[in-house]
Amino acid sequence: DARVTQTPRHKVTEMGQEVTMRCQPILGHNTVFWYRQTMMQGLELLAYFRNRAPLDDSGMPKDRFSAEMPDATLATLKIQPSEPRDSAVYFCASGYDPNRYNEQFFGPGTRLTVL
Amino acid sequence: AQSVTQPDIHITVSEGASLELRCNYSYGATPYLFWYVQSPGQGLQLLLKYFSGDTLVQGIKGFEAEFKRSQSSFNLRKPSVHWSDAAEYFCAVGEGDDKIIFGKGTRLHILP
Repeated sequence: DARVTQTPRHKVTEMGQEVTMRCQPILGHNTVFWYRQTMMQGLELLAYFRNRAPLDDSGMPKDRFSAEMPDATLATLKIQPSEPRDSAVYFCASGYDPNRYNEQFFGPGTRLTVL
Repeated sequence: AQSVTQPDIHITVSEGASLELRCNYSYGATPYLFWYVQSPGQGLQLLLKYFSGDTLVQGIKGFEAEFKRSQSSFNLRKPSVHWSDAAEYFCAVGEGDDKIIFGKGTRLHILP
């Protein structure tokens, strides 16, 4: 049963610390998405990749957030330095373009709390 | 730009009653449409999708949705809800080759 995995599932950190979240997309998928979910804003797209190339990171605060795909099996989202307003659930999703018509498969999320 | 509107933030229904969650989209061409469900503490799971063809699509867990181009709607229905259906439901429309635009979600509460 192929699924997207994310680590860690929960992270509590102090303001100013670096946070790294990892995602393993489904094998064979070539698109990867990072979302942030909060009560106030709902589900926001932060960045996405196709064939490991970043295509759109317009939803991401550039000064502190960075997203990379070191290889096809790993995507990372880094926050440095973290701030309390970054507290949210961060989801990774993967898909296969072009034959899946935008269908995305979501991981379980990383719940981040910044104190 | 594409957009999705879910006019109901919360919906409460009794167990065993029928359910309809509303979704309206804005899209110039034939849309790719989705309904996702998110149970508490979980990621999003695809319930069903519409790409083309039959406008009534069947999904998992007994859900169905009907695409109505004239109304720009893609409402989700279930004839009889179960307590386990309590969750948040997201309607979404595909944009471009890859992206999905999500609605704000409708939280479904089930009364025993």
